[in-house]
Amino acid sequence: AIQLTQSPSSLSASVGDRVTITCRASQGISSALAWYQQKPGKAPKVLIYDASILQSGVPSRFSGSGSETDFTLTISSLEPEDFATYYCQQFNRYPITFGPGTKVDIK
Amino acid sequence: QVQLQESGPGLVKPSETLSLTCTVSGGSISSYYWSWIRQPPGKGLEWIGYIHYSGSTLYYPSLKSRVTMSVDTSKHEFSLKLSSVTAADTAVYYCARFYGGGTWYFDLWGRGTLVTVSS
Repeated sequence: AIQLTQSPSSLSASVGDRVTITCRASQGISSALAWYQQKPGKAPKVLIYDASILQSGVPSRFSGSGSETDFTLTISSLEPEDFATYYCQQFNRYPITFGPGTKVDIK
Repeated sequence: QVQLQESGPGLVKPSETLSLTCTVSGGSISSYYWSWIRQPPGKGLEWIGYIHYSGSTLYYPSLKSRVTMSVDTSKHEFSLKLSSVTAADTAVYYCARFYGGGTWYFDLWGRGTLVTVSS
């Protein structure tokens, strides 16, 4: 199975900060990567698919980039509602796998 | 607006079979793939498998021997059975729509249901 690692595993940031989360795949996956946001007690919500395409309704402060093995999720200016855990997920090859998550909390 | 809702027992005894159903409302179950994903308390997400509305399935290899998924299009629902459960199967179980067409991701999720395996 393709392994996904995320860094950092957690970070503390302030409202207005620019935040970057990295996802690395154990082998090339083209652009077959999605990013999800999960808040406590809630289901995940897709933010980005195909590595860089913003899901409808998702604020434009979220952006994704990368291909093959290295991907990033960037929040250009952190808002209070963005404090959550973020997961990457690959669909290039079965089984579908998720990264371990990056928790973004308030500094 | 399409909504998904999981239902089933919240407590299952070790060695027994976990059974969950996901009801799709506000839209069609046809033409899509549907998945189950679980999340142990305080941990990350694990894909369990998917079922197409036609009935074709694909399961996570390490769970394949214990998983059965089925779909009932007339009832707008699909189901998960996981046999021989242990405490390691304790998790929040989500059903989700696996949206595809060249690119694949989970675009709709149920709220999730906690299943605890304990005697």
